[in-house]
Amino acid sequence: AQTVTQSQPEMSVQEAETVTLSCTYDTSESDYYLFWYKQPPSRQMILVIRQEAYKQQNATENRFSVNFQKAAKSFSLKISDSQLGDAAMYFCAYRSAPSGTYKYIFGTGTRLKVLA
Amino acid sequence: NAGVMQNPRHLVRRRGQEARLRCSPMKGHSHVYWYRQLPEEGLKFMVYLQKENIIDESGMPKERFSAEFPKEGPSILRIQQVVRGDSAAYFCASSPGQGSSYEQYFGPGTRLTVT
Repeated sequence: AQTVTQSQPEMSVQEAETVTLSCTYDTSESDYYLFWYKQPPSRQMILVIRQEAYKQQNATENRFSVNFQKAAKSFSLKISDSQLGDAAMYFCAYRSAPSGTYKYIFGTGTRLKVLA
Repeated sequence: NAGVMQNPRHLVRRRGQEARLRCSPMKGHSHVYWYRQLPEEGLKFMVYLQKENIIDESGMPKERFSAEFPKEGPSILRIQQVVRGDSAAYFCASSPGQGSSYEQYFGPGTRLTVT
């Protein structure tokens, strides 16, 4: 069974600085998707970025980028120029790509605090 | 295009009562997933449904929990005889298809409190 591990329960970053959130996963599959979701106090799950395992190029979305290391099964999220609005819980998630139910497997989350 | 709708947003039930959580998927989406988020934890998969069919219920507790997605109307997650441990946020996500490239879109969640 696949597992997702986020080893940092909480992180802090100064406004305008850069922070990296860690995520590791375990799977025997070669094809899958990885995601980072943001959950602000409203609890709405907001997709931040997604990565297809077959793509070697790291995904980027404006100030958000990932460092995808397939062999190491690592998928970290880098937030550049941190803003107060980035403060939230961040969840790493895995989804299988071969046939199946495509359910998401989430990590336990990292709470990001942004200091003014 | 309206997003995934869930209601109620907050639900308070006494122990032993029934809880019914509703999820209306995005227009054109016929696949629905339910997840549960216990306090200070990540979301955990419960059940996956297509119209009129349960495809995967491997994450559903064996007793008291059931789900349906009828031909017409929203998907319903039903919890009978609720206990304090059922207090959690319940999220619904919808998808337009089953293929691996289809993304799931999450609703705002229903927060269930059992007193």
